[in-house]
Amino acid sequence: ELKVEQNPLFLSMQEGKNYTIYCNYSTTSDRLYWYRQDPGKSLESLFVLLSNGAVKQEGRLMASLDTKARLSTLHITAAVHDLSATYFCAVERRGSQGNLIFGKGTKLSVKP
Amino acid sequence: DAGVTQSPTHLIKTRGQQVTLRCSPKSGHDTVSWYQQALGQGPQFIFQYYEEEERQRGNFPDRFSGHQFPNYSSELNVNALLLGDSALYLCASSLLQGGSQPQHFGDGTRLSIL
Repeated sequence: ELKVEQNPLFLSMQEGKNYTIYCNYSTTSDRLYWYRQDPGKSLESLFVLLSNGAVKQEGRLMASLDTKARLSTLHITAAVHDLSATYFCAVERRGSQGNLIFGKGTKLSVKP
Repeated sequence: DAGVTQSPTHLIKTRGQQVTLRCSPKSGHDTVSWYQQALGQGPQFIFQYYEEEERQRGNFPDRFSGHQFPNYSSELNVNALLLGDSALYLCASSLLQGGSQPQHFGDGTRLSIL
């Protein structure tokens, strides 16, 4: 059974600091996604990672994928308050396009 | 260009009732997936529709059923509602031949069961 685990589940950061969110998954997958969800809102796609060693960056967020370790990371650089949200990683079942297995999410709070 | 739209936004039902939720996919998309998101949890895949047929199904009972119409819009039906069905129901659309393009999510329907 494909399982996705994120840690930490809660993260309180000060503005300007760096931190990393980890996403482990249990079986082989072709695609890994990172989404952001603001309170009461829907999910916004951040990154799609397809291959081993893939790295993508957008602003203060950088995501990477290690398929051999079945690990993805979301690194936050010099956090700002606007990054406060819940971040989900999701893994697509191999051979089942669109069937995403989500982690429980990491609730990030960035404080001044 | 409208994104994924869902209706209603909020719904309150009682145990044993039936409910229908609706979803219009993003323009150009042909595939609709439904997810259930309990409070404090990640979304769970319910099922996916393509060409008006259920293409994939997650681990949900038969009380959960769906439909896709020729215009690609979709409905999620839940019968014999239980307290545990209280959740945010998210619809996501995509293009089946879109490769690795991410699914686009709607704002969801918040269903409360009393």
